Amino acid sequence: KQEVTQIPAALSVPEGENLVLNCSFTDSAIYNLQWFRQDPGKGLTSLLLIQSSQREQTSGRLNASLDKSSGRSTLYIAASQPGDSATYLCAGDQTGANNLFFGTGTRLTVIP
Amino acid sequence: GAVVSQHPSRVICKSGTSVKIECRSLDFQATTMFWYRQFPKQSLMLMATSNEGSKATYEQGVEKDKFLINHASLTLSTLTVTSAHPEDSSFYICSASTRNSITEAFFGQGTRLTVV
Repeated sequence: KQEVTQIPAALSVPEGENLVLNCSFTDSAIYNLQWFRQDPGKGLTSLLLIQSSQREQTSGRLNASLDKSSGRSTLYIAASQPGDSATYLCAGDQTGANNLFFGTGTRLTVIP
Repeated sequence: GAVVSQHPSRVICKSGTSVKIECRSLDFQATTMFWYRQFPKQSLMLMATSNEGSKATYEQGVEKDKFLINHASLTLSTLTVTSAHPEDSSFYICSASTRNSITEAFFGQGTRLTVV
């Protein structure tokens, strides 16, 4: 069964820092990969989607990459802001059917 | 972007009662809907997948007679937690996808269920 690990589990950084969140899948056969943010007690906000034919996606200060050979993905956040504080989740599916396996999450705190 | 509305956002119920959670796609036809749950400090886990007009497919360890899923229309799926117990207290969230956008599923806001 696919298991997804995110490292670190928690991260606290001063405002303005660049940071990298990591995600790894036990089974590297990933079709699509998504990064989400989840605010306390709230639902999911989709940040970036890397489709099967892609290896990287960028949106504003966010950049996500996927190495399919190793089953690892990174989310890069540039010039972090207090509003970035949230839990970040990576998720992937293996067939394109959108039944996602979620990671354990990284809880990010950006200190003003 | 596509919008998925989930209701209620929070519900508290007594042990032994049933609770229904609705998931609606507001501006697209959801041919497939997914139900996940998230226990405190754990990741989201897929419970079941439902295709419109068909019986839901449940993940291993999820009791289909306890978690009843109905997907009778292209815009609505419901999850009914029957005879709820305190251990069913969790965050339940749905997502929906359509054949027109098979590469992405869109998530509802989630439902915080507390069974007392």
